[in-house]
Amino acid sequence: AQKITQTQPGMFVQEKEAVTLDCTYDTSDPSYGLFWYKQPSSGEMIFLIYQGSYDQQNATEGRYSLNFQKARKSANLVISASQLGDSAMYFCAMREGFETNFGNEKLTFGTGTRLTIIP
Amino acid sequence: AAGVIQSPRHLIKEKRETATLKCYPIPRHDTVYWYQQGPGQDPQFLISFYEKMQSDKGSIPDRFSAQQFSDYHSELNMSSLELGDSALYFCASSRTLGDNEQFFGPGTRLTVL
Repeated sequence: AQKITQTQPGMFVQEKEAVTLDCTYDTSDPSYGLFWYKQPSSGEMIFLIYQGSYDQQNATEGRYSLNFQKARKSANLVISASQLGDSAMYFCAMREGFETNFGNEKLTFGTGTRLTIIP
Repeated sequence: AAGVIQSPRHLIKEKRETATLKCYPIPRHDTVYWYQQGPGQDPQFLISFYEKMQSDKGSIPDRFSAQQFSDYHSELNMSSLELGDSALYFCASSRTLGDNEQFFGPGTRLTVL
């Protein structure tokens, strides 16, 4: 089974609108972390936001917020007031075994969502 | 601010040749991760190191080996290259094992002809 599922291969959004990118995850580990990365056409991976499984509040970083619904195992990324520079590939990723640390460091990525902002 | 440095940025090799990719983590970062991203694919974890010791291993072929040196830089050695090894190879670093954020380098694009 896929550990990270991103069901939207591509999205087109009008500039200045808000956009939600979906991510669901599958794990039986009680401690895990969820990440969102942005990959522009130039190829680099840019960290956007992080949510820990024990965090009580949804994470926010500027225009990015993470809608964390633990019971539904979803961690959707919300981008407010989208800009042309937001056009990129967006990856959701998970690290399991958060508290055990050693030997559980790898990130597992979803297949990504290609976001295109329309002027 | 200093970022993760990877060299070379682009590499072209023939089948059956060898390649060495280098990664210089952010200063004072002691943990390094390697990922492979094939064309149109999501990044796949290969291997990680903490304090010069291997800390986790993913789907890394036996033809590949890696190590972390005393100055914390890491090298990924790839032998008997195959066409399917063509990919973007990312190195990421974090301040220590268990740290939330992994800072990714710009990647090395390897093309095997």
